[in-house]
Amino acid sequence: SQELEQSPQSLIVQEGKNLTINCTSSKTLYGLYWYKQKYGEGLIFLMMLQKGGEEKSHEKITAKLDEKKQQSSLHITASQPSHAGIYLCGADRRLTDSWGKLQFGAGTQVVVTP
Amino acid sequence: DAGITQSPRHKVTETGTPVTLRCHQTENHRYMYWYRQDPGHGLRLIHYSYGVKDTDKGEVSDGYSVSRSKTEDFLLTLESATSSQTSVYFCAISESRGADTEAFFGQGTRLTVV
Repeated sequence: SQELEQSPQSLIVQEGKNLTINCTSSKTLYGLYWYKQKYGEGLIFLMMLQKGGEEKSHEKITAKLDEKKQQSSLHITASQPSHAGIYLCGADRRLTDSWGKLQFGAGTQVVVTP
Repeated sequence: DAGITQSPRHKVTETGTPVTLRCHQTENHRYMYWYRQDPGHGLRLIHYSYGVKDTDKGEVSDGYSVSRSKTEDFLLTLESATSSQTSVYFCAISESRGADTEAFFGQGTRLTVV
């Protein structure tokens, strides 16, 4: 959706290097979800951010939601082959739409090279 | 996986035939969703349910109907399948956990309409 833009579309990172993915919304967010998807498989829930300025971490993945709640970044530290996949952000707009429906970005494909 | 099972996992059907996809959950979640995922479009919401017999349309509901006669089952029906409905279909549930809301997806159903 153009209302939710992810960047970059794809990236190649060398194993051990850091990477950052951005998700920008043109409309106010109630919350922002991050998922990882392996090709041909389902979506794995990573984390959900709700409060402006909120930051959450899980293993080597950290996500932040900016103060104005319209942009989020996902940062992976010291990338590993297991981090390869497609990362998707999903917008929860329950303040202006029905509860729980998510609007997704197009995804960012991450390739980790040796 | 939040106890979500989709069936079938793969299906090939002919244009004009009816098709029903099933999403089954074991944890009594109130909210359930059907999305489709297509290259270039990402994930888009088809229909969702906020309780037994309570359903509503999503972004791309034309050509689809849903039913939820029991909490645990959410059925997606293509009344007369078309080639444009070839896609990967995902079922999802959402769950409030304190101040957070988590949303989990099933493994997907790959549908091919020939």
